[in-house]
Amino acid sequence: EAQVTQNPRYLITVTGKKLTVTCSQNMNHEYMSWYRQDPGLGLRQIYYSMNVEVTDKGDVPEGYKVSRKEKRNFPLILESPSPNQTSLYFCASSLSLAEADTQYFGPGTRLTVL
Amino acid sequence: DQQVKQNSPSLSVQEGRISILNCDYTNSMFDYFLWYKKYPAEGPTFLISISSIKDKNEDGRFTVFLNKSAKHLSLHIVPSQPGDSAVYFCAAFPGSQGNLIFGKGTKLSVKP
Repeated sequence: EAQVTQNPRYLITVTGKKLTVTCSQNMNHEYMSWYRQDPGLGLRQIYYSMNVEVTDKGDVPEGYKVSRKEKRNFPLILESPSPNQTSLYFCASSLSLAEADTQYFGPGTRLTVL
Repeated sequence: DQQVKQNSPSLSVQEGRISILNCDYTNSMFDYFLWYKKYPAEGPTFLISISSIKDKNEDGRFTVFLNKSAKHLSLHIVPSQPGDSAVYFCAAFPGSQGNLIFGKGTKLSVKP
């Protein structure tokens, strides 16, 4: 089954404690992306990756890092989480940037930073 | 500055009637527009799209209209069904850049 998986699905942590949210897709997609969804703000792009070893900032990259060492995985790293990073995070992938309409989203990770 | 705007945070419609969700954009370089649907506790799913070279695209009960001169698009759902109750996101694609830009979403409630 074609899918995007994220782990963990729920996480409560404390300020400053480094964490990683994993994202994996099994569709051999080149394009992967991370979004956060906040009430009243909709979906905002954090980082995206056009292919292996190619990443770029989205609209709200501050406080986040990503890596794309292999095609299927695109982890989101919070080196020193802060309460304003409490949010719902979605990973997404598509065959290419041009195939934005077939962008598959993961189920989401609800992060709370105390 | 918000480039994709969905000015109605919520919309309530009776089952069987038409639902019209609106979206405005500011960047004339956007060349592709998409609508996503999101249920609670799930990721968004693609619904329908339209290229800037068209003014209408239809898929079953869903039709998207694009008015480039007004920088406005709308999603029509006819007839609306209770299962359509979800948050709908409008998104715009600038083509040469990497960012798919989303609106804030409109929560549609279809009442039986």
